[in-house]
Amino acid sequence: DQQVKQNSPSLSVQEGRISILNCDYTNSMFDYFLWYKKYPAEGPTFLISISSIKDKNEDGRFTVFLNKSAKHLSLHIVPSQPGDSAVYFCAASSKNYGGATNKLIFGTGTLLAVQP
Amino acid sequence: DADVTQTPRNRITKTGKRIMLECSQTKGHDRMYWYRQDPGLGLRLIYYSFDVKDINKGEISDGYSVSRQAQAKFSLSLESAIPNQTALYFCATSDWAGNSYEQYFGPGTRLTVT
Repeated sequence: DQQVKQNSPSLSVQEGRISILNCDYTNSMFDYFLWYKKYPAEGPTFLISISSIKDKNEDGRFTVFLNKSAKHLSLHIVPSQPGDSAVYFCAASSKNYGGATNKLIFGTGTLLAVQP
Repeated sequence: DADVTQTPRNRITKTGKRIMLECSQTKGHDRMYWYRQDPGLGLRLIYYSFDVKDINKGEISDGYSVSRQAQAKFSLSLESAIPNQTALYFCATSDWAGNSYEQYFGPGTRLTVT
C-alpha cells in the first residue's frame, strides 16, 4: 500500500513558467514532509521541507504548500529553469511512525522537464 | 570530497553470487540507511542503523543483510543475488537533531543481476 503518492510520473513546463508538483499521503500520523531532487547518476538531494504545524514554507524559487485536511502537499517552482529538470520525490515522516524512528516514506517521483 | 560515498558505483553479477555494497560517510552522523530505487516504485527502505549496535529491518529486507562496521561504515550484502534485486541502491545518513528529518544520500550503486 503506497502511503505517499505522486500521481504524475512526468511534467513538462516552459522555462520561466511555474512548475507545480503534487503529492498525496494517506497516513494521518505523518507530521513532516520533505522534497528531494534527483539528477541522473546522482543521489537524491534535499530541497525543502515543511512541518505539519505550517501550511507553507518558502525558500527562494521553491515553495511547499501543505493541506492537512486533504492530505496533500505541493511544490511550486517559480520561475522554472532548465537546470530544474530532474526527478522530484516527496517524502513523509513522523516522530510516532514505527517508534519514533524518523524513517522517510518516499513517493514514486515525478520527472520534471523544463523546456528552454 | 563527497560526504557519503558508495562502492562500487556499478556492478554486474550473476544469479547466486554473493555481493557486498559498501557505504562510508564523513558527516559524523549516527544514523545510516540503505534504500533501493526501482522504476515506478520510488525509494524503499531495506535496512537502517541508529548506531553501531542497532540494526533494524526496513520494509523490504528479505534477501539482504547488513553490517555496521563503524559509525562511518555501513555495508549491504546480497547473500545469493537474484535478478529481481537488479536496482539502484542508495546509502543515506542522518543526524538526530531536534526536529530534523533530513537524510543525505550517496551517489548510488547500479546493480545488475543476470
